[in-house]
Amino acid sequence: SQQGEEDPQALSIQEGENATMNCSYKTSINNLQWYRQNSGRGLVHLILIRSNEREKHSGRLRVTLDTSKKSSSLLITASRAADTASYFCATVTGANSKLTFGKGITLSVRP
Amino acid sequence: SQTIHQWPATLVQPVGSPLSLECTVEGTSNPNLYWYRQAAGRGLQLLFYSVGIGQISSEVPQNLSASRPQDRQFILSSKKLLLSDSGFYLCAWSSGVSKPQHFGDGTRLSIL
Repeated sequence: SQQGEEDPQALSIQEGENATMNCSYKTSINNLQWYRQNSGRGLVHLILIRSNEREKHSGRLRVTLDTSKKSSSLLITASRAADTASYFCATVTGANSKLTFGKGITLSVRP
Repeated sequence: SQTIHQWPATLVQPVGSPLSLECTVEGTSNPNLYWYRQAAGRGLQLLFYSVGIGQISSEVPQNLSASRPQDRQFILSSKKLLLSDSGFYLCAWSSGVSKPQHFGDGTRLSIL
């Protein structure tokens, strides 16, 4: 069953605006990771946030984690057309620490 | 730096034919290796993972198999492809469980 589910499924914004993507999950996690996938390419790891962390930053990316609500958000500030891609959250759970991916969010940034 | 190579990029195969997809990693030793399948517009489904040479764990029953003949080589195979095997296959490596995974550029497999 799907552990991480992203919301919305698709997002279209104007260049320069901020993009906020959400991820909800069902069971306790070890960490949560966000990935980006350009069309027809492999996934690229963006950021990892541990279960005892609440917020992390990397460049224009800001990730928050609320373990009480079992949710995370990815904020991309000052979006660019090059940010157009699919974004996936992935959760690491359990002793075997497998990574389980959501279905992804399609972000379109209009120039 | 570490790199991952996956080939071929695109493959068109008839139903019933065999399959061999190869993935190699450079610049690291004893990586965890993974094979995923991604259906159109969907998330990734983990097919196999390996924590060492000859150690393969299968996540879903299917007519695919995986092998790890060398430390940094991971092969996905099938003796007879089905139409349902079509999809985008991705290989990935990580330095350990729960660590970030690094993906190859994938193989687009079409079964006719």
